Order: sequence, then structure tokens, then C-alpha cells
Amino acid sequence: QKEVEQDPGPLSVPEGAIVSLNCTYSNSAFQYFMWYRQYSRKGPELLMYTYSSGNKEDGRFTAQVDKSSKYISLFIRDSQPSDSATYLCAMSVYGGSQGNLIFGKGTKLSVKP
Amino acid sequence: SQTIHQWPATLVQPVGSPLSLECTVEGTSNPNLYWYRQAAGRGLQLLFYSVGIGQISSEVPQNLSASRPQDRQFILSSKKLLLSDSGFYLCASIRGPSYNEQFFGPGTRLTVL
Repeated sequence: QKEVEQDPGPLSVPEGAIVSLNCTYSNSAFQYFMWYRQYSRKGPELLMYTYSSGNKEDGRFTAQVDKSSKYISLFIRDSQPSDSATYLCAMSVYGGSQGNLIFGKGTKLSVKP
Repeated sequence: SQTIHQWPATLVQPVGSPLSLECTVEGTSNPNLYWYRQAAGRGLQLLFYSVGIGQISSEVPQNLSASRPQDRQFILSSKKLLLSDSGFYLCASIRGPSYNEQFFGPGTRLTVL
């Protein structure tokens, strides 16, 4: 079993839809959970950063972590064509200045106008 | 604000040729620096990271090497490229106290023929 699993998609939704992106993981030591957004041919950019279980909201984006199920989600409300990108989940054990991020392979999202 | 520059943006090289990719960071001092490779269908793979001049940690054994000759300069090299070295190479640093908050450069797309 891979450490982090993410459905590669592609996922295609109409503008205005609610999008749900998900990752599962196997390492129960993960405590920090991130979502990165990557536009085509660009470097990833950090979108959401959460610690342990619970929800975090930032505008149209909500990150949800369920450590008991080893499952994290990113919800996008009122999706826009500009949200079309690949979304990467990432996880880590520590929150300090040294360590490794473990990335999922990414889900490609397309929002149609 | 911090900015990462990478060059070249794209590169096409024959098998067996050498490689040198450069990453420089502006707007910070003594940053942690990372080299990732993103290959089709394989996600982001950490290759090397550095916490200071001359300090390199290798995550994946392969025919690549990294060097940090200056505080804000990180170089990825190879003496002889393989077909499997093709991919999108990303340099990253951290913004803030945690390595979880990584920000990435624009990347170098390498094609080995």
C-alpha cells in the first residue's frame, strides 16, 4: 500500500459546482496536512495547511482531516474556471524546519464555464 | 518577499550528456532548499535537500547530485543523463518556520532523448 493515495482524475465539473478532492494515507504518524494547487507547467503553490483533525476554511476552500479514518478532503465551493488545476495533497510527521513532505500524485480538476 | 528563480525553463538533452540546473532564491538568507522531480504519473519526488552551504542530503540514490556553493544557490547536476531522468524539476524553499510551508520555483522541464 502506498503511503499516500490520491485519485488522479481527471475530474470535470460545471462552473458553480461544489468540488470534493480526497486523499487517504497509511502512516498514522502524519500530523500535518497540506493542499497544494498546481497550474499547468507551473510550480505548486500552498493552498491550505492544517494540523491534526478538524476543519479549516479559507474563502471558498475548506480542508477537512479525519485522522481516525486516515482521510483528508479539500472542498471547493462555487467552483470557477480559474480553479482548473491539479491539486496535490501532502503530509508530514513534523512541523519544524527539517523534514520531508509526502505528496499524493495529484487530482486534475477541470471546471467548465 | 521571497522568490525562487530556476533556469533553464526547458531543456532537451541527449542520453549520456551532462546536466546542470540552477536555482537561486531572493528575499531570504540561509534558506532550506529542496530539489524535487515530478514525472508523469509518479507525483512529486524529493531528490535532495540542503540546510546550508555545502550541506546536502540525498533522498533517492541515482545518477544525480546536488551542490550548494552559495547561501541562496542550489545546483542539480548529472554527469550522464538517462532516459528516466526526464521530468519537471522543481526547486523549493520554505516560507516561515515550518518545512510544511514550502514554496516552489517555476520549474525546469527536462526531456532526455
